[in-house]
Amino acid sequence: AQSVAQPEDQVNVAEGNPLTVKCTYSVSGNPYLFWYVQYPNRGLQFLLKYITGDNLVKGSYGFEAEFNKSQTSFHLKKPSALVSDSALYFCAVRDGGGDYKLSFGAGTTVTVRA
Amino acid sequence: EAQVTQNPRYLITVTGKKLTVTCSQNMNHEYMSWYRQDPGLGLRQIYYSMNVEVTDKGDVPEGYKVSRKEKRNFPLILESPSPNQTSLYFCASSRTGSTEAFFGQGTRLTVV
Repeated sequence: AQSVAQPEDQVNVAEGNPLTVKCTYSVSGNPYLFWYVQYPNRGLQFLLKYITGDNLVKGSYGFEAEFNKSQTSFHLKKPSALVSDSALYFCAVRDGGGDYKLSFGAGTTVTVRA
Repeated sequence: EAQVTQNPRYLITVTGKKLTVTCSQNMNHEYMSWYRQDPGLGLRQIYYSMNVEVTDKGDVPEGYKVSRKEKRNFPLILESPSPNQTSLYFCASSRTGSTEAFFGQGTRLTVV
């Protein structure tokens, strides 16, 4: 079985400060990891993914994430948050050696205050 | 434009009245799936399809049906909706391999 944990329901930061959204995963095979963002009344938008290679991956809108195999984590980061980054963020995992099922975390609501 | 299109976006219905939510993708993706999103639970997979005429249950399939007669379409059918199926539903598609999934805009369903 595969699963994702996002330990924080909410993250609040001031504009201009660093933003981190935490994610840990469990999967039996090689992890394929993804971050998605959901704005109000919108679908999920892909931010970035880790499949293999460099542990630090860069994605859309200035976001990046670091894959840590020993800690089974894939935290999302942004050096300087914007008010427009306020949204619901989902981490997801797939078993690279299995089927194509994505398992999602419960989501983290990010609020960036001006 | 590459996209996944769901219809309708919003639907209010009564218990027991059969309904279908359509999903269509224009990217020639093999893999398609349906999720429901509920507060505090994230997205949970209902059904998925690896290709035409190949479908299988996800984590929460009870009360739902799907079909995959054409590669581009993957409708979700609720034969007898109940209030506990009130939720936000998403269709997604992806190419087999390592690529990310593309999501539709969502269908907010209310069953009264």
